[in-house]
Amino acid sequence: KQEVTQIPAALSVPEGENLVLNCSFTDSAIYNLQWFRQDPGKGLTSLLLIQSSQREQTSGRLNASLDKSSGRSTLYIAASQPGDSATYLCAVSPYTGANSKLTFGKGITLSVRP
Amino acid sequence: GAGVSQSPSNKVTEKGKDVELRCDPISGHTALYWYRQSLGQGLEFLIYFQGNSAPDKSGLPSDRFSAERTGGSVSTLTIQRTQQEDSAVYLCASSLGAYRQTRYGYTFGSGTRLTVV
Repeated sequence: KQEVTQIPAALSVPEGENLVLNCSFTDSAIYNLQWFRQDPGKGLTSLLLIQSSQREQTSGRLNASLDKSSGRSTLYIAASQPGDSATYLCAVSPYTGANSKLTFGKGITLSVRP
Repeated sequence: GAGVSQSPSNKVTEKGKDVELRCDPISGHTALYWYRQSLGQGLEFLIYFQGNSAPDKSGLPSDRFSAERTGGSVSTLTIQRTQQEDSAVYLCASSLGAYRQTRYGYTFGSGTRLTVV
C-alpha cells in the first residue's frame, strides 16, 4: 500500500528565504506526482505535475523535483513571500491507469513571516 | 464551466439527518472523484466515476454513503443518517480521463464543509 509522508508538518520562515518542502513515498511504481496548495477553508490548487519520466518541473518561483527510485520529491520555493503561506500537499498517482486515484500526504503548513 | 463547482460550500446538519452534496465537473472531463478531508487528516479517497463504467466505491467508509453521477456529468454524494464523525470537507475533482489524468492531473473544486451537530 502506497504511503506518502511530508515532514515537518509545519514550517515558519522569514520573508525572502528560499525553502524546500519534502515529500517521500514508499512505492516507486508511480505514474506522476502532483504538488497542490490549499489555503485555509479552501479547496486544492494544482501547482506542478511531474510525470514519472521527468526529473523536475518549474513554474515561476516554484521548482519541483522527482527522484522516483528513491521515493522522494521536493518543492523549492524561491524568495518566499507572505502570500505563499498555505498548506502544501503532494500526491502520487499509481502506475496502473484503471483508477488513477491519488494518495496524498498530510501536507506541510507553511507560514512566511513579513 | 471554467472549473469544478461544488455546492453548498457549507452545510450544518443535525445528527441523523440525510445530506446531499453536489459536484459539477469541468465540461468534457470524464473522470470524477470524491475525497474527504477530516480535521488533521490527509485526503481520503471515497469514490471514482469514469465514463459509463461501474464506479469504484472502494473508499466509501460505510453503507450510509452513496454517490451517483447522472448523464456522465453532475455527481451527488449522499450521506444518510449523518454522524458527528462525518464532519469534514468533501472535495470533488475531475480529470480528462483515467489515462489522460496521468498527463494532465486533477482539478479540484473548493469543497463542501459539512458540520454535523
